[in-house]
Amino acid sequence: AQTVTQSQPEMSVQEAETVTLSCTYDTSESDYYLFWYKQPPSRQMILVIRQEAYKQQNATENRFSVNFQKAAKSFSLKISDSQLGDAAMYFCAFRGAQKLVFGQGTRLTINP
Amino acid sequence: EAGVTQFPSHSVIEKGQTVTLRCDPISGHDNLYWYRRVMGKEIKFLLHFVKESKQDESGMPNNRFLAERTGGTYSTLKVQPAELEDSGVYFCASSQTRDRAYNEQFFGPGTRLTVL
Repeated sequence: AQTVTQSQPEMSVQEAETVTLSCTYDTSESDYYLFWYKQPPSRQMILVIRQEAYKQQNATENRFSVNFQKAAKSFSLKISDSQLGDAAMYFCAFRGAQKLVFGQGTRLTINP
Repeated sequence: EAGVTQFPSHSVIEKGQTVTLRCDPISGHDNLYWYRRVMGKEIKFLLHFVKESKQDESGMPNNRFLAERTGGTYSTLKVQPAELEDSGVYFCASSQTRDRAYNEQFFGPGTRLTVL
């Protein structure tokens, strides 16, 4: 069975600085996808970034980038130039066939 | 285009009562998923519909939970009788394709269920 672990329940960062959220996973599959989802307070969960396991190049989406280490089964999210609107719960997720397997979440606070 | 909607947004019931949650997926999305997050823990998969068929219900906790998707449009998740440990946030998600190629799951806002 797949598992996803986020070891940081809470993180905080100063506005405009960079923060990295950690995520590790365990799977025996070779073909899979990894995701970071963001859930702002009282709002819907939205996809931030995704990574296909067969791609060696790390995904980037504007200020968001990942560090995907397939051998180490690590998938961290880096947020550059943090903004107040980045404050949210961040969930790391794994998908093999269909269903998503989530980590416990990291609550990110942005300090003005 | 409307996103995934869920009703109600909050529900507070007594132990032993019945509650029915509803999810309306994005129009045209054949795949519909239910997930649940118990307080402070990870979001866990409950089940997956493809149109009106249950494709994977391996995450359903027990037979007190019944999910339906008649006609392949909206879905309901009934909990009967509700227990204290059923409290949590129930998320619904939908996606467009079923093959292993990337297909983004779009999430609803969730229903917060509190069982007293």
